[in-house]
Amino acid sequence: DSGVTQTPKHLITATGQRVTLRCSPRSGDLSVYWYQQSLDQGLQFLIQYYNGEERAKGNILERFSAQQFPDLHSELNLSSLELGDSALYFCASSATGTDQPQHFGDGTRLSIL
Amino acid sequence: AQKITQTQPGMFVQEKEAVTLDCTYDTSDQSYGLFWYKQPSSGEMIFLIYQGSYDEQNATEGRYSLNFQKARKSANLVISASQLGDSAMYFCAMREGHEGNNDMRFGAGTRLTVKP
Repeated sequence: DSGVTQTPKHLITATGQRVTLRCSPRSGDLSVYWYQQSLDQGLQFLIQYYNGEERAKGNILERFSAQQFPDLHSELNLSSLELGDSALYFCASSATGTDQPQHFGDGTRLSIL
Repeated sequence: AQKITQTQPGMFVQEKEAVTLDCTYDTSDQSYGLFWYKQPSSGEMIFLIYQGSYDEQNATEGRYSLNFQKARKSANLVISASQLGDSAMYFCAMREGHEGNNDMRFGAGTRLTVKP
C-alpha cells in the first residue's frame, strides 16, 4: 500500500461529459503529481502541485484542470471528454528532495464511450 | 532532449536467470536521484529502488540492484533469479536537484517477459 488514495478506481462516461478524479496524498507529502497513461504507453506528466500551489505543468490540455486544497488532497477535472481521453490516470505524491520517490496511487481507469 | 532513455522496448529472460534493463540519463546537475518502478499488468506503479548521485556504492534491494556508472550516465537495473511475477513494465526515472524543479522524469519503459 503506497498510502496514496485515488477515487474512483473506474469511471465510464460519454463524450462531451465532465469528470473529477480525486487524490489523497501520503501523510506528510506536500507535492502531488498527475499523470496520464494511455494503453501500452509511458507516463505523460500532466501537472504538479506543491502545498496548494501549481509548481510545474506538462502536457496538460486546456480542457483539463487541477487543484490542490488546503488539506493537500487534489482533484483533476477533465471536461468536454473525447474518446482519446480514455486512459489510466495516476496521482502520485512525494516529499521534497532528490532522494524522495514518488508514491503512486492505484490509478483511475477512465473509459469514454 | 530526452532526459531518460530506455533503449529496450521489450526484453525476454528465462526464469531463474538474471536480466539487465538499461537506462541512461542526461543532466547537468550534480545532485540527482535515480529511481526504478515496476508496473505489472494490474496497472499499479511500484517503487523498486533508489540511487543517489553521490552514493558510492550501487543500491541493492533484495533481488534488485542498480548498476550505477556515473561517468557514463547510466543506471541499469539488474534483476537476479528472475521469477514469473517479474513480468511487467519497468520504468527508469530521475529527479534533479536544481532549484524550482524537482519533478521526476520517466523513461518510456521496458516490457520484461519472464519465460518458464
